[in-house]
Amino acid sequence: DIQMTQSPSTLSASVGDRVTITCRASQSISSWLAWYQQKPGKAPKLLIYKASSLESGVPSRFSGSGSGTEFTLTISSLQPDDFATYYCQQYNSYPKFGQGTKVEIK
Amino acid sequence: EVQLVESGGGLVQPGGSLRLSCAASGFTFSSYAMSWVRQAPGKGLEWVSAISGSGGSTYYADSVKGRFTISRDNSKNTLYLQMNSLRAEDTAVYYCAKPSNGHYYYYYMDVWGKGTTVTVSS
Repeated sequence: DIQMTQSPSTLSASVGDRVTITCRASQSISSWLAWYQQKPGKAPKLLIYKASSLESGVPSRFSGSGSGTEFTLTISSLQPDDFATYYCQQYNSYPKFGQGTKVEIK
Repeated sequence: EVQLVESGGGLVQPGGSLRLSCAASGFTFSSYAMSWVRQAPGKGLEWVSAISGSGGSTYYADSVKGRFTISRDNSKNTLYLQMNSLRAEDTAVYYCAKPSNGHYYYYYMDVWGKGTTVTVSS
């Protein structure tokens, strides 16, 4: 089974900060990686697919990069609405999520 | 508008059974594989099960294999999850989710329901 490891688990940041979250796969998944945002009590929301493609309607301050085993989600200027938990998911085979990264207010 | 609405959650004793439903609308349901994803309290997302668009192929996480059964009724645009021999560790919010590519159950999920809560406790 492919394992997905996100870092950090928690990230404290301020509005306007540039934020980067990393997701590592235990083996190569090419670019078959998605990122989701989840707020408390809500369903996950798709942000990025195929490692770097922005889902329609998602603000351009979100971007994704990487391929193979290492990927990043970057928020260029953190906004109040962005405080949430972020998950990566590999879809090379068998849907597998990372453990999540909580972005909290510093 | 594409929509998924789950129902059927509740409180059940360990060893008990529950059937979840997910009503789909706004897309050609039979053309899409569908998945169930769960989230235990304070924990991350865990894929549970998936089914092909025709219903002919099913897939399960090891944690539920042999206890849960996924099915669908394309005439009713409804997805089901029959959960038997429930354990405390099955306590979670269960989400119904649609993959963006209907042919591949493991694809990224572009539509999610709001979830239904299952609590397994005596």
